[in-house]
This record gives sequence, structure tokens and C-alpha cells, in this order.
Amino acid sequence: AQTVTQSQPEMSVQEAETVTLSCTYDTSESDYYLFWYKQPPSRQMILVIRQEAYKQQNATENRFSVNFQKAAKSFSLKISDSQLGDAAMYFCAYRRMFSFGGYSGGGADGLTFGKGTHLIIQP
Amino acid sequence: DGGITQSPKYLFRKEGQNVTLSCEQNLNHDAMYWYRQDPGQGLRLIYYSQIVNDFQKGDIAEGYSVSREKKESFPLTVTSAQKNPTAFYLCASSGGRSYEQYFGPGTRLTVT
Repeated sequence: AQTVTQSQPEMSVQEAETVTLSCTYDTSESDYYLFWYKQPPSRQMILVIRQEAYKQQNATENRFSVNFQKAAKSFSLKISDSQLGDAAMYFCAYRRMFSFGGYSGGGADGLTFGKGTHLIIQP
Repeated sequence: DGGITQSPKYLFRKEGQNVTLSCEQNLNHDAMYWYRQDPGQGLRLIYYSQIVNDFQKGDIAEGYSVSREKKESFPLTVTSAQKNPTAFYLCASSGGRSYEQYFGPGTRLTVT
């Protein structure tokens, strides 16, 4: 079974500074997807960034970027120019790639989540 | 607007009663999911469904049941057999070749 570990229960950063959230995972699969989700106080889960394991290039979405180290099974999230609106719980998640009948895609398996990191932004 | 709706936002029940949580999506997604979230925990998969009239147990299915009679709907029943039903429940869906899951706003269930 896959596991996802987030070793930082809470992180704090000054507004406009950069912060990195850690995530490691364990899997025997070679193809999979990794995600970072944000959960603000409203508790709505919001997808921040995604990474396909077969892609060597690290994903970037505006101020959010990842450092994907496949061999180390590490998937950290870097938030640049932190803003007050970034304050939230951040969850790292894993999903295996489904292959059936020549079709490869997300399939319908569920996500495996880490326990989350509470990010505090100091004004 | 396309999206996922869950109702109600807050639900209160007495111990020993079954309760059904609603999840509806108009994204035309084939796959739907139920997750449970407890304080200090990530989300854990309860059940998922790839297509209509089919569903699979997730990691913590005991004490829960689901049905998938329509593509748009995936209700979750929390039965009296579930030992610790008080939690936040999230529904999600995904479709086509997309591997992303989109989440509803969640239902907070309190059982006393």
C-alpha cells in the first residue's frame, strides 16, 4: 500500500517570504501522480499543483512550484512571495496511474493523502 | 455552473440512527469518491465508484454503504455500525482522461 508522509505539522513564514513544505511517499509503482491540495478555513479542498511521475520537469503554477525527486520519493512544495491568503492546511496526495486495455490515465482509484501541514502567514 | 454539491453542510443525528449524505455532480464525470476527514488527519477513502451501478470499498468502508444508480449522484449512508461517525465528509469526482479529482464543499456530521 502507498503511504504519504508530511513531517511538518505546522510551518510559519513571514508575508512575502518563501516557504517549502515537505512530502515523502512510498510506492512500488513506477507511474503515478502527485498533488498538493490546499484546505483553507472554509474546508474546501483546492488543487494547487500536480505532477506526473513520468515527467522530469518540475511543475510550476504561478508562485507555487514543486521539487520532485523520484528516486528519493520526495515531492516538496515551494511557495514564493507568501501572501495572507496562502494560510491554510496543505495536503500532499498520491494517485497511481491506471492502465487498462492500452489506455493509461488517472483511472478511478482514490487519492492517498498525508496528514497535512498547517501553514501560518505572519503579516 | 459545473460543480459538486453536498448537502446539508451540517448534519446532526442521534447514535443508533442511519444517516445519508448527499453528493451530486454536473461535471459529467464517471468516477466519484467519498472521503472522511478527522481532526489532525488527512483524508481517508471510504468508497469509490468508477461507473453507474458499480462501486468499490476504500480503506475505511466498514460501517458505511453507498449506491450509484445515476451518474450524477453518489449518496453515502453512515450506518449505526460505524463506531465513530462524527467527522467531516468530502465527496469528489473525476472524469475522462483527467487524473484530477474535484471536491465538493463537504458535510460535517455530528452524532451524539
